[in-house]
Formats: sequence, structure tokens, C-alpha cells
Amino acid sequence: NAGVTQTPKFQVLKTGQSMTLQCAQDMNHEYMSWYRQDPGMGLRLIHYSVGAGITDQGEVPNGYNVSRSTTEDFPLRLLSAAPSQTSVYFCASSFSGTAFFGQGTRLTVV
Amino acid sequence: GEDVEQSLFLSVREGDSSVINCTYTDSSSTYLYWYKQEPGAGLQLLTYIFSNMDMKQDQRLTVLLNKKDKHLSLRIADTQTGDSAIYFCAEIGGANNLFFGTGTRLTVIP
Repeated sequence: NAGVTQTPKFQVLKTGQSMTLQCAQDMNHEYMSWYRQDPGMGLRLIHYSVGAGITDQGEVPNGYNVSRSTTEDFPLRLLSAAPSQTSVYFCASSFSGTAFFGQGTRLTVV
Repeated sequence: GEDVEQSLFLSVREGDSSVINCTYTDSSSTYLYWYKQEPGAGLQLLTYIFSNMDMKQDQRLTVLLNKKDKHLSLRIADTQTGDSAIYFCAEIGGANNLFFGTGTRLTVIP
């Protein structure tokens, strides 16, 4: 039972590059979300989705796009990476408010 | 948005009790959660409490909720070195989004 799978685990980008962080869950959860974790700031919600075809912004959405074409997948796109996006990114899927997290992607933008 | 606050660090000796505190702002939160993050890993749900409860006990874990003061605490009895981790409290807000505190890094001294 894989749960929530995130890829890649590590990534280094140059400023201005684009990339997609992948997230997949096999628990058939409707709700999925992306967070970033920065030292001393906890986890901040970037975007979330309450079901296929539905996405919405969280606390810190600027610089990120998402889509939800299937229940299983919820990719996060950085269109033009900036050093301020250096962070650890977590994807989660939830059921009745209980969240299951992936292992995280450590992204460095140089 | 919701504001969840925690102290950043806590050190205890092995065998002692640990108490991690959290304050939150949204009095309408139906559930409050404690998550644990071990080094290099995602967050895992430890326990949760429903807002109409004052206390919940689960083996070595005791959660206390003071709704009047919007204060949540997690007590870990007989703390072990394996309990060293970052502990996050979280409240559930609109659209079932989770809002996390900054996390408390618990260090257990052998």
C-alpha cells in the first residue's frame, strides 16, 4: 500500500527554470493539497483540491500552478523558479480531515 | 487566516514527561491534531481530539484541550529517544484545510 508518493525527492533548479513536482495517491481520497515547509514557519498551504477538476489557492499560491485531472494525481508546477521557492514541499491527501503525507521533495533554486 | 502558535524547541531527559503546547485562533475548528515529523520524512498523524472533548489518552500520549483559552497540549509520558522529532499541532479550517503551527523540535537527552 503506497499511500502518497512524491517525486523527485531532491531537485536543484536554476533561477527561471520550470519543473513539475509529482504527487500520486492510491487511497481514493478526494482532497489533496500541497504545502511548503520552511524553518520556523511550519507548513504553509500552497494549493488544494477537493476533487478531480477542482483546485483552489491556499495561503501562498504565487509562483505555483496545479491541476487535478484524476483523483490519483495532483502535480505542482513551478513556471519560473525563484530562490524564494527553495523549500521542502509536501503533498498530502486527506479523508475526514486526517492527512496522509508524502515523503517530501527538497527543492533548491540557485 | 488561522494562526497556530507553538514554541520552537523543547529538551527533556529520557524517562521524563514532555509537554508540548499550542495555541490556535479558530474557535469553530471541529478537530485539532498532533502530527510528528521524523528527520527526512513527511508528517505522520499522532493523535487528534474532537472539539467537544477536554482530554484524550492514547497509550503514552495525553491530549488536553482548553477551548476557552484555545490551548492544546500534548503530553508524552516516559519520553524515549525515539520520540525525538518535530511535533506539529494543526487545526482544521475552511474547506477542510489544515493549518499548522511552526512545529516544536523535541530533543530527548539520554
